Amino acid sequence: GNSVTQMEGPVTLSEEAFLTINCTYTATGYPSLFWYVQYPGEGLQLLLKATKADDKGSNKGFEATYRKETTSFHLEKGSVQVSDSAVYFCALSSDSGYSTLTFGKGTMLLVSP
Amino acid sequence: DAGVIQSPRHEVTEMGQEVTLRCKPISGHNSLFWYRQTMMRGLELLIYFNNNVPIDDSGMPEDRFSAKMPNASFSTLKIQPSEPRDSAVYFCASSLGAKTEAFFGQGTRLTVV
Repeated sequence: GNSVTQMEGPVTLSEEAFLTINCTYTATGYPSLFWYVQYPGEGLQLLLKATKADDKGSNKGFEATYRKETTSFHLEKGSVQVSDSAVYFCALSSDSGYSTLTFGKGTMLLVSP
Repeated sequence: DAGVIQSPRHEVTEMGQEVTLRCKPISGHNSLFWYRQTMMRGLELLIYFNNNVPIDDSGMPEDRFSAKMPNASFSTLKIQPSEPRDSAVYFCASSLGAKTEAFFGQGTRLTVV
């Protein structure tokens, strides 16, 4: 079946540091890949997505590239802000008929001033 | 569109009582998901509907949980009888199906005392 593995947190960074959160997946076919963000007390919001190999999703300074050869979709940001503190979820949606979203366990990011 | 709408936002109930959570998906979406989120177990998929039909309910914890989708614009998740271990945040999400992102509601925070 499908699965998503992401690095465990919390990831603790100082403001303006470089961020990488690793995500690898297992799926048949050609899934779409997503990063979601959840701020305290809120629901999950789509941060970025990529629908095919070598696509780069980007939003709010975050970016991730769909790497089929390494089955990865790592999230990066060049300079984090305190306001980026949240839980980040990697997810995939397969291309087979009835498709559910498969989520990783989430990675908490804490950014200090 | 107003997005996925869940009600109530907060629910406090006594053990043994029946609880009904409600969800209105985004108009035109054909897939609906119910998730449960706790600190201990993270984000868990409870049940998935496609075109109002339950496709995968393997995540429903036990017979006390039931979900219905009588039409394309409404779904309910019912817990009867409720227990303290059901305390969690319950999210509803909808999507356009395979390879597409899901949009989440704000969640219902359930506390069973």
